[in-house]
Amino acid sequence: AQSVTQLGSHVSVSEGALVLLRCNYSSSVPPYLFWYVQYPNQGLQLLLKYTSAATLVKGINGFEAEFKKSETSFHLTKPSAHMSDAAEYFCAVSDRGFKTIFGAGTRLFVKA
Amino acid sequence: EAGVAQSPRYKIIEKRQSVAFWCNPISGHATLYWYQQILGQGPKLLIQFQNNGVVDDSQLPKDRFSAERLKGVDSTLKIQPAKLEDSAVYLCASSLDRLGGLAGTYEQYFGPGTRLTVT
Repeated sequence: AQSVTQLGSHVSVSEGALVLLRCNYSSSVPPYLFWYVQYPNQGLQLLLKYTSAATLVKGINGFEAEFKKSETSFHLTKPSAHMSDAAEYFCAVSDRGFKTIFGAGTRLFVKA
Repeated sequence: EAGVAQSPRYKIIEKRQSVAFWCNPISGHATLYWYQQILGQGPKLLIQFQNNGVVDDSQLPKDRFSAERLKGVDSTLKIQPAKLEDSAVYLCASSLDRLGGLAGTYEQYFGPGTRLTVT
């Protein structure tokens, strides 16, 4: 069985500061991992994905995430936050058997 | 290419009424998903189709929810009768996954969702 835990339902950073959104997963098989972003009144959009290639994955809008098997983590980072990054972020895990489980989400606030 | 289309965008109904949502996935995408997203939570899978066959409907409340994907293209999700706890955003997504292929490697493309309010 798979599960995803996102630590912190809300994260607040200042514009220009480091963004760190935490995600830990559980999977009985080597997982595929995803980060999605959701802006108000919109569907989810893929930021990046890990599918067993490089452990450091670069995505859109300057985001990246590192797969750490020993820590069962897939944290999302961005060196410098921008006001337009304010949104809700979802971590998701797939067991390669068509099933994808989403975390509860972390809402990112960016202060001017 | 056109994205995933959903309609209506908003719907308000009274409890015990029925409602239907429509989804048109991206052309060529074999897999179609319906998710329920309650405020403050992540999307929860209701049903997953591979072409016009059901892959997973384990979390679909079958006493009131039904879904179909005729001809393996667009899909409808119906709730009858609706309850207050059905108030949520219903998201449709599609992906390129095909049986026998690299399942789960293709990202899901989401529509804008339908916000349902049951009063």
